[in-house]
Amino acid sequence: GAVVSQHPSRVICKSGTSVKIECRSLDFQATTMFWYRQFPKKSLMLMATSNEGSKATYEQGVEKDKFLINHASLTLSTLTVTSAHPEDSSFYICSAGGFGNTIYFGEGSWLTVV
Amino acid sequence: DAKTTQPTSMDCAEGRAANLPCNHSTISGNEYVYWYRQIHSQGPQYIIHGLKNNETNEMASLIITEDRKSSTLILPHATLRDTAVYYCIANPQSGSRLTFGEGTQLTVNP
Repeated sequence: GAVVSQHPSRVICKSGTSVKIECRSLDFQATTMFWYRQFPKKSLMLMATSNEGSKATYEQGVEKDKFLINHASLTLSTLTVTSAHPEDSSFYICSAGGFGNTIYFGEGSWLTVV
Repeated sequence: DAKTTQPTSMDCAEGRAANLPCNHSTISGNEYVYWYRQIHSQGPQYIIHGLKNNETNEMASLIITEDRKSSTLILPHATLRDTAVYYCIANPQSGSRLTFGEGTQLTVNP
C-alpha cells in the first residue's frame, strides 16, 4: 500500500534555532499534503495544507511565519519550525492522499526544544 | 465535515470481538465513514472506510446503518496489539483534509 515517510523521527534542538521536518510520499505523487500537531493525550490538530507549487494554506491561529511549509515536488513537503521555543515541543505528523483517495499518515516526528 | 461522536474508552478481552461504535447523525450524502487508529507515539494507521455498504478487509469490518447515522467498527479477534485510540471520521472521499475528534481508547486485556 501507499507509504508516507517522515524524517527525522525524533529531534532535539536548542531554543531559538530552526528545525526542518521532511514528509515524503514513497510510491505515489501527492499534490497536497497535510501537517498536524499533537500534544500529549490530545487529538491531532490540523496546522496547514501543503500545496505543490503554491503557497500553503494555514489553519486559523497557526503562524505562517513560524511554521514554514515548502512543497517543491510531488513527493516531498517540508515543515520548518523557525525560532523554536519549548512550547513548540510536540509530535508533528504529515499525511497525503494515496490510492483510492485514502489518506495515509507518516510515522510522526517528535520535536523537543530545550 | 460531519461531526462524529464516539465513547471515550472501551475494554475488550483478548481473542474476543471488539465492537467500536460511532454516531454521525449529520453525515451528508457525499461523506464516507473513515476509521483510523493511533498506537501510542505513532502516526495514525488507516483501517477501513465505506459509504453505505458494509465493508470488510484484512483488518476489520465496517457496519453502517441503513440511515447512515451510525456505524460500528468490528475487530473480529482482538489482540493486545490492537490497543490504540480509534478515530471515526466522516469525510468526502475526494477531500483529504481529515478532522480528528477525540476518538475511543480501546484497551485489549489479556
